[in-house]
This record gives sequence, C-alpha cells and structure tokens, in this order.
Amino acid sequence: SQQGEEDPQALSIQEGENATMNCSYKTSINNLQWYRQNSGRGLVHLILIRSNEREKHSGRLRVTLDTSKKSSSLLITASRAADTASYFCATASRKDTGRRALTFGSGTRLQVQP
Amino acid sequence: DAGVIQSPRHEVTEMGQEVTLRCKPISGHDYLFWYRQTMMRGLELLIYFNNNVPIDDSGMPEDRFSAKMPNASFSTLKIQPSEPRDSAVYFCASSLTGFSSYEQYFGPGTRLTVT
Repeated sequence: SQQGEEDPQALSIQEGENATMNCSYKTSINNLQWYRQNSGRGLVHLILIRSNEREKHSGRLRVTLDTSKKSSSLLITASRAADTASYFCATASRKDTGRRALTFGSGTRLQVQP
Repeated sequence: DAGVIQSPRHEVTEMGQEVTLRCKPISGHDYLFWYRQTMMRGLELLIYFNNNVPIDDSGMPEDRFSAKMPNASFSTLKIQPSEPRDSAVYFCASSLTGFSSYEQYFGPGTRLTVT
C-alpha cells in the first residue's frame, strides 16, 4: 500500500527557479527518505532524515520533516534541466525497527524547462 | 562497484510463458528487495530477503510469483504462468545492515511486457 502521498503530482518550472515537493504519510516513522528516478532508470537515493531531525541539507537539496503533521518537503534550489525526473518519498516504519522495507509514495514528476 | 545488476533489461513474452528475472546485488549487501512499478499502482514491494532468507513476501501478488536467493550474490523472480497484467518494470534493490542501512540501491530494472 502507498503510505506516502506526494503533492503535487506534477510540477513544471523554469531553470533557476526553486522546486518544492511535499509528502504526507500515515504511520509513525523511523526515518523518511527521498529518491529520484530519471526516465527509464532505477531510483537513486538522495537524502535521509530521521524522525528526531527537523531539517537536513545536501547541496541544493533541503528536506524538512514535521512528525506532528506527518509530512515532509523537499526543496531543490536553483533548479537545472538535469533535475527533470520523478521524485519519491519513502518511509521506514517505527513500529517494526527490524523491518528494513520502505513504503514509497506515488511520486512528483518535475519538469525543469531550460 | 558495478552497482545492482539486473537481467534481462527488457523481456517480451506471450501469456502463459514462464518468465525469470535475475538480480545481482551489490557485493557485501545483506538485504535484497524486489519491487514492481506500474503507472496504476506505483512502486510496490513484492518480497525482501535478509542474508538470503525471505523475510516478508506479503507483497507477492499470487502463487504464480516466486522468488529465490540461493546465495548472497544472486536472486531470481519467477512468474509462471505469465499474464498481461504482469506487464510492469521490475526493480531489484539492495542495502547493507548498519546505522544508515535503510538506504536502498536500485538496479536499472527489467521492463516486462506480456502479450
């Protein structure tokens, strides 16, 4: 089942603009991750934020986590055409810390126009 | 490291035929996951292994699907008999036990078309 739901489903911006994607989930989590998928390729891990963290940065990526609202956001600053891809959030359940499986959201398709 | 390797990259088969998808995880990784991705259902976890042992196969859709991991460097996902609704991209991913072991590394996928 899909725990994470991304919003918006699709986003089109101009190169240089910032892109913000949101993810909501339903159950308590151990951590939340964001992945990128280029067309026709496998998913690539971008960043992981733990349940006791509120914000994390990695290069042009900024992730926030609000466990009280069960939501996360991914901000890509100064976007480039190469950032065009689908972005997925994935959650690891807190209920069973031995369980290594992730539950993926439905994804946001980002199009960056040059 | 070569990353997760999957074969074949594309498979076209007729309904009723047996299909075998193959995966080689990253050397040293002790978790292996099989996913299926479709437009309608998104990315679904089918089964995952830890140290070659199946841990959770609750995502396997039917008895027509089976997965094995005979050793740490090889896994197969078999569909017998295949049906058109099995058409999807199948991904294999692996990860490593450790503090950050939730990060998964995906293969390029196998695009399966059942006619």
